[in-house]
Amino acid sequence: DQQVKQNSPSLSVQEGRISILNCDYTNSMFDYFLWYKKYPAEGPTFLISISSIKDKNEDGRFTVFLNKSAKHLSLHIVPSQPGDSAVYFCAASAGGNSGGSNYKLTFGKGTLLTVNP
Amino acid sequence: EPEVTQTPSHQVTQMGQEVILRCVPISNHLYFYWYRQILGQKVEFLVSFYNNEISEKSEIFDDQFSVERPDGSNFTLKIRSTKLEDSAMYFCASSVNRVFQPQHFGDGTRLSIL
Repeated sequence: DQQVKQNSPSLSVQEGRISILNCDYTNSMFDYFLWYKKYPAEGPTFLISISSIKDKNEDGRFTVFLNKSAKHLSLHIVPSQPGDSAVYFCAASAGGNSGGSNYKLTFGKGTLLTVNP
Repeated sequence: EPEVTQTPSHQVTQMGQEVILRCVPISNHLYFYWYRQILGQKVEFLVSFYNNEISEKSEIFDDQFSVERPDGSNFTLKIRSTKLEDSAMYFCASSVNRVFQPQHFGDGTRLSIL
């Protein structure tokens, strides 16, 4: 089941530069997209989300872009900091399009971001 | 900041035994979920729960699994007769609403079946 795909298992960037993490999806019913950050031995921590009625959402250093026609979203982190080093998961749900029956999150495999000082 | 808390952090159980994983969701949240992550694999949905009943479940969530909200604060996942393949991280999550609201996760319980 590859409905949500994160094709880059890892990404390495220099402190202060931009980190761009990518995610593709195949299910056109998805209408809500989220990014989570995960440190070892901890659970996923919610970062930022976007609904399908928007194409951009910004929160501090984090911006998520959604391209519905390409079924693609990306997370931009500017500027990147060493504390951002973690696994980033893209997730999606189809709740708004399911008539109230499908709110489960479908996750990608994650991208390990390393920010070097 | 309110958190989802899970206990125990690590559970070791013999195959065939029953295990109960416990979660305390964020207090004003109404929707509760269990997910699991087998080592090296994706986080996958097990079940969602609202108003004291299951609202959605995956194919993984068979008759060996059950969930319960025994009181106003706890949310539990029970596996009746554990199998080796049940070894995984189990994450509890909660959300204040379902539509366009993020799910917040606990730190998980590592379940090891021997």
